[in-house]
Amino acid sequence: DTGVSQDPRHKITKRGQNVTFRCDPISEHNRLYWYRQTLGQGPEFLTYFQNEAQLEKSRLLSDRFSAERPKGSFSTLEIQRTEQGDSAMYLCASSLAGLGQHNEQFFGPGTRLTVL
Amino acid sequence: DAKTTQPPSMDCAEGRAANLPCNHSTISGNEYVYWYRQIHSQGPQYIIHGLKNNETNEMASLIITEDRKSSTLILPHATLRDTAVYYCIVTGAGGTSYGKLTFGQGTILTVHP
Repeated sequence: DTGVSQDPRHKITKRGQNVTFRCDPISEHNRLYWYRQTLGQGPEFLTYFQNEAQLEKSRLLSDRFSAERPKGSFSTLEIQRTEQGDSAMYLCASSLAGLGQHNEQFFGPGTRLTVL
Repeated sequence: DAKTTQPPSMDCAEGRAANLPCNHSTISGNEYVYWYRQIHSQGPQYIIHGLKNNETNEMASLIITEDRKSSTLILPHATLRDTAVYYCIVTGAGGTSYGKLTFGQGTILTVHP
């Protein structure tokens, strides 16, 4: 257990439905990242927050995807109008960034999404 | 971030050292080499990182060549629980740096009894 939790662990949905995932980072960590991983591939970066500010989004994050981190604590990732191509493992990670800190990211167990 | 190249798979006997190579010939002067691993059905786990000097921690050792164009992760006494995908990543270290991790395909290490 890394201290990063994700909910739910598994989600099965039908094409066209909306889904929302939650990530609870390690409490003192100011950075939070979302990655997506498909079978046989390494994780791909989606977006990242420094406190509550979303500082970058990947081109992979289409308009159907939105992420928030209210109050700089937990984060949610919502996918609207899901498509079969959205089926993947969605990973959340957090880190403590600042002078003297290095980029050790702590990953949660992931949410596996299956779109039927 | 600089691109890395790793062999797709490697085998190792339990109790022996596992040496995992990584090429990163386009690494820039302020970029670090990080290693993460991912055991089946889990999120990636940090192992070790370095800039130019060799590093050692309780999990592994990292050997970086003098020209910094390649590195080797060494698991000194591999166990069955070290079977995983190992990712070599080049990125900024943190602080004011961005910190995004760019994962490649990694090396599937299989440790045999």
